Parts: sequence; C-alpha cells; structure tokens
Amino acid sequence: EVQLVESGGDLVQPGRSLRLSCVASGFTFDDYAMHWVRQGPGKGLEWVSGIGWNSGTINYADSVKGRFTISRDNAKNSLYLQMNSLRPEDTALYFCAKDMGLIGFGGSDYWGQGTLVTVSS
Amino acid sequence: QSVLTQPPSVSGAPGQRVTISCTGNSSNIGADYDVHWYQSLPGTAPKLLIYGNNNRPSGIPDRFSGSKSGPSVSLTITGLQAEDEADYYCQSFDSRLSGWVLGGGTKLTVL
Repeated sequence: EVQLVESGGDLVQPGRSLRLSCVASGFTFDDYAMHWVRQGPGKGLEWVSGIGWNSGTINYADSVKGRFTISRDNAKNSLYLQMNSLRPEDTALYFCAKDMGLIGFGGSDYWGQGTLVTVSS
Repeated sequence: QSVLTQPPSVSGAPGQRVTISCTGNSSNIGADYDVHWYQSLPGTAPKLLIYGNNNRPSGIPDRFSGSKSGPSVSLTITGLQAEDEADYYCQSFDSRLSGWVLGGGTKLTVL
C-alpha cells in the first residue's frame, strides 16, 4: 500500500523558517518525481514545487521561488521542503504528492494527508 | 488567478449529468500536455479521478469520464450521486512556467 506521511508543520512567525518532510512507502521512491502542493484556508490547490527522480529537474512556483527549496533523499525514501522567509500568505495545508512519471510532467496518483503551516505573529 | 480556467460552481440533481470545463493555452493544454482531474474535499487529500485526459485509475466508477478538444478539456459525471458533492480540479504541465498548473477548482453541488 502506498503511503505518504508529511510532518513538520507548525505555527511560526513571519520571516522565520520551517522544514517539511514526507516519508514514502509502498512504491519504489526513486522511480518517480515528487511534488509539494498547498491549499490555503478557503482557497484552491496551488502547486508549490516539484523534483525529478534523481533531483536533476527542480521547479518552483513563482510565489515561492528564492524562498523555498525542495530536495529528496532516495536512500531514506524522503522528500523535503525547506521554507525560509515565511509570509502570512504561506499559511496552508501542505501536501506531498507522488508523480506518475520520472521527471514531473505527469499527474499525481497518491497524496499524503497534509501538514499544516500557519504563519502568524 | 489560475492558469487553467474552470467554472467556480456547477450543480445537478441526483441521476443527472454535469460537465466541468477546463481551458488552458498554448503552453499547457494546447501544447498537448496531459490533463488530470482530482476530486477534493476541504482539508483532505485530493483523489485522482482521471489521468492522461481520459483514463480512469482502478476503482474510479465509469460514471466519471474525461475528454479533450484543442486547448480545452472536460470532466463529465453521469448518474450524479450525493457523494459526488466535492471540489474538482484540473491539472496539467506548463512549459513556459516549467511546472504544474492547476485550475481554480469547481464546486459541485448535488441538489
């Protein structure tokens, strides 16, 4: 059974940093690209970042470019999102999502349950 | 403002058919990147309904179908059921933005 379990969400002040993690199981992790997608309160889904199977392809939404860094450790079946210079508008439920392909052009067949990030003073 | 355009809401009575449209441009749907559809309830993990424009994952009823025509795609739900009440999102890849793009979501109300 495929499982994606996110962690690391918390209440943080604006300008601070946070690191999210996602541990994957039930599939060959290094055969697939991975993504972070977020959903703000009362808002729709917003793609944040994606990383290819070997970290050779990495992309970011304009809203987080220069502040967030995606990475993965295939030996640990883990995906990460380092979030710096956090803003109130980054407040959201952050989902880890498995791509159906290697590079990140595909859709996602599995999602985690999400971890909540709240940015507020 | 979402890159992919969906109607904010649609509605239908039980047993009826509804269609949700999703329109992109020449750097995403029009560039022949596949479109995928998700069903989402607020605060829960989205569920893949349709992948590659018109393919259903195992376990998704054939009441759900997808189609594509040029830069636009559609999700059709037939035989509406109360449990179909949810938010629906289309998603594709955009070559200009070099990443996923999503529609703003369509709230389906079963009357």
